[in-house]
Amino acid sequence: DAGVIQSPRHEVTEMGQEVTLRCKPISGHNSLFWYRQTMMRGLELLIYFNNNVPIDDSGMPEDRFSAKMPNASFSTLKIQPSEPRDSAVYFCASSLGTSIDEQYFGPGTRLTVT
Amino acid sequence: AQKITQTQPGMFVQEKEAVTLDCTYDTSDQSYGLFWYKQPSSGEMIFLIYQGSYDEQNATEGRYSLNFQKARKSANLVISASQLGDSAMYFCAMREPPEGGSEKLVFGKGTKLTVNP
Repeated sequence: DAGVIQSPRHEVTEMGQEVTLRCKPISGHNSLFWYRQTMMRGLELLIYFNNNVPIDDSGMPEDRFSAKMPNASFSTLKIQPSEPRDSAVYFCASSLGTSIDEQYFGPGTRLTVT
Repeated sequence: AQKITQTQPGMFVQEKEAVTLDCTYDTSDQSYGLFWYKQPSSGEMIFLIYQGSYDEQNATEGRYSLNFQKARKSANLVISASQLGDSAMYFCAMREPPEGGSEKLVFGKGTKLTVNP
């Protein structure tokens, strides 16, 4: 069974451009999570969905960030406009959605905004 | 307030030796879960082990075990018989009971483990 799939794996863009990160969770998983990892702040949860519905978006840094999950097999995280401080590794993770289930992480997208 | 504390930024261990990575947590809830993840230099996050707050026995998974001391609020990871491939960042994380359905994990800053040959 394929794990969590993220694309692209690397993204380099200029400040002000729109960036879209994509995620395909593991089939059958009900919960999907977007994390951001930086040296300064570590691993932070941005938003998570349960059954395609956003449950907690308190970690989304500002209005420039938006996330959608139009169906159970696809989610996007969009940054518009991007800024250099958005440079980070963005992880998508999924889980079965019960209290004891571990989250399975994708390989991450390394975003560099110049 | 920081909920997960990993006090060891870096640790070194000799191959085949055992090593303990420290993790303390802060919560007022009685029901919670503790997780350890490994992040090798390639960047992926790999789940290692889980401990529920009501589990009476320490969790074990192969060479990984969790030394759970509830009264001290600590959940240290023990890796036995270290291998060179164990060199990586290790993150401790906690999940508290859902508030409004929240399942989110809170991660510590991590410990970088280096296994020497």
